[in-house]
Amino acid sequence: KAGVTQTPRYLIKTRGQQVTLSCSPISGHRSVSWYQQTPGQGLQFLFEYFSETQRNKGNFPGRFSGRQFSNSRSEMNVSTLELGDSALYLCASSLSGSWAGELFFGEGSRLTVL
Amino acid sequence: DQQVKQNSPSLSVQEGRISILNCDYTNSMFDYFLWYKKYPAEGPTFLISISSIKDKNEDGRFTVFLNKSAKHLSLHIVPSQPGDSAVYFCAASDPNNNDMRFGAGTRLTVKP
Repeated sequence: KAGVTQTPRYLIKTRGQQVTLSCSPISGHRSVSWYQQTPGQGLQFLFEYFSETQRNKGNFPGRFSGRQFSNSRSEMNVSTLELGDSALYLCASSLSGSWAGELFFGEGSRLTVL
Repeated sequence: DQQVKQNSPSLSVQEGRISILNCDYTNSMFDYFLWYKKYPAEGPTFLISISSIKDKNEDGRFTVFLNKSAKHLSLHIVPSQPGDSAVYFCAASDPNNNDMRFGAGTRLTVKP
């Protein structure tokens, strides 16, 4: 079956702009989690959605937001971009929840903020 | 707050030898632990896991050890192969709070 798909794979933005990233989970998976990966910080948890509801949120400012649609596809949005937002953003899907076991990751969206 | 710590950013070993990657955690509510492997330009992939009711889990060349009293887990790869060169993330899960946290990763290089 198809894996987790993230779009776009690469994008460049300037400070102050906003960006929307998309994630299509594995068919049948209802949980989608988002992570930010930066050198030295590893995978920082952003938020998790399950059946269109945000179930958990990491320690990121309100500029980071997300949503999940009825088909389980998810989007995350970052407004008023800052240089420090440059990172690889990874989406992961699972059947029941990010804490419940194995996560299936997409290849990520690499965001560069100039 | 780094609830899951991988204190070694990098590790280099010779092919055929043992690789030992370490991970420490602070939250005693974590009771399920996983290791993921990540190659460049790819997302992390699940490698092996262990529940807190066990102290060892083995899968082929990969073994994970858990020491709950020390809040420490380790991943052993024996024998190491050049294809094992990747970044390894440990993760810890707290199902009561719908929470999973990752460490910063350790870059393993296996030299031929």
